[in-house]
This record gives sequence, structure tokens and C-alpha cells, in this order.
Amino acid sequence: AAGVIQSPRHLIKEKRETATLKCYPIPRHDTVYWYQQGPGQDPQFLISFYEKMQSDKGSIPDRFSAQQFSDYHSELNMSSLELGDSALYFCASEYGRVSGEQYFGPGTRLTVT
Amino acid sequence: GQNIDQPTEMTATEGAIVQINCTYQTSGFNGLFWYQQHAGEAPTFLSYNVLDGLEEKGRFSSFLSRSKGYSYLLLKELQMKDSASYLCAVSMNNNAGNMLTFGGGTRLMVKP
Repeated sequence: AAGVIQSPRHLIKEKRETATLKCYPIPRHDTVYWYQQGPGQDPQFLISFYEKMQSDKGSIPDRFSAQQFSDYHSELNMSSLELGDSALYFCASEYGRVSGEQYFGPGTRLTVT
Repeated sequence: GQNIDQPTEMTATEGAIVQINCTYQTSGFNGLFWYQQHAGEAPTFLSYNVLDGLEEKGRFSSFLSRSKGYSYLLLKELQMKDSASYLCAVSMNNNAGNMLTFGGGTRLMVKP
């Protein structure tokens, strides 16, 4: 069965650079969630989209923005990167927003040096 | 806000049964999720409880009591590959969807 695809899987950036993370949800899933997981920490909710509209916002810094496109894939844009942004970034997808089964992608490991 | 508590670490023996508890306090409740996460990998969906009672899926079962703000994940016939972190997550009562707030995770170590 198709799963959530994230790219790139690994990314190394320097401070103050920008990064774009991509997420391709499971086919027919219309809801996308972004989470950030620092070393030894829980995933922290950043932002979510349903039917190409932002539906909820968590602890996402103002330096970050995201959107969901017409094909339901989503991109997380990160600017003015800081060392503390180094983390695993997970995207999760769900069908119908309240189905209760949220499937996570493999994550993008971002390292800021 | 939400407060989710679960034990930090547990150890169990291969073939045994282990119960991982999770308590929560939330201003709105839309469901409780359990995920398994191996180090450096994505969380894997295990179960979702929105009503009181027990949900069984093979070797894994999850129980919810909304009045007590309590859930547990039961793992039977433990295998070495079950060594992982188990994340309890609560979804807020939010029309926007299932934004999850995770507990600290329980690191389970299965020993021979």
C-alpha cells in the first residue's frame, strides 16, 4: 500500500539559509499535518491543512510557512534557519480530517550547522 | 491546554504481557491515539479510541476511560522487535481536525 512520502530524507543547511520540505500524502488523503521532533522529544504539532486550506496552527515559528497544493501535497518553507531548527520533521496524512487514523511519513532530518 | 502523562521507561520479558498507562487532562477531547516509534523512524499508528472501552488488534489492545482521563496500551506475547517508544497522543475537540498532542512517550525494552 502507498504510504506518505517526504523529501528530502536528509537535509543539511547553514544558519540563516532557507529550506523547503515536501510531503506527498497517501492517495485520496485530503488532510496533512506537520510535526517537528527534536532529539529525545515528542513530536510537536506545527500546522495542518484540509482541502488545501490551513485548518489549524500549533507552535510554528513565524519564520516558517506552509501550504497545501491542488494535488494535496504540502510544502513546509523554513527561512532564517537557526541551530535549534535541527530536528526530524514529520508529515502525516489522514482522510477526511476526522477519520482517526493519521499516518506518518518517514520524516526529513534537518541539520542546521 | 493539555497534560499527558505516561511512564518514561518500562522493561519486560519476551513472551510476557505489558501494560503502558497514559493519563490526560484536556480542555477538549476528540480521541486518544497510540503510536509506536523506533528510534529515528516515523511513528506508526497502533490504535485510536474515541469511546470508552477496549479496542483489540492482534497482539495490541487499547483501553479508554473518558471519565477518568485514562488509557492503556496492552501488548501481549512480547517480541524483541516490540522494543520501541510508545507514544500516547490526544486529539483536541477541534473542528479543524485531529491535531495531536503527544505525551512524553514510554521507552519499552524487551529482554530475552
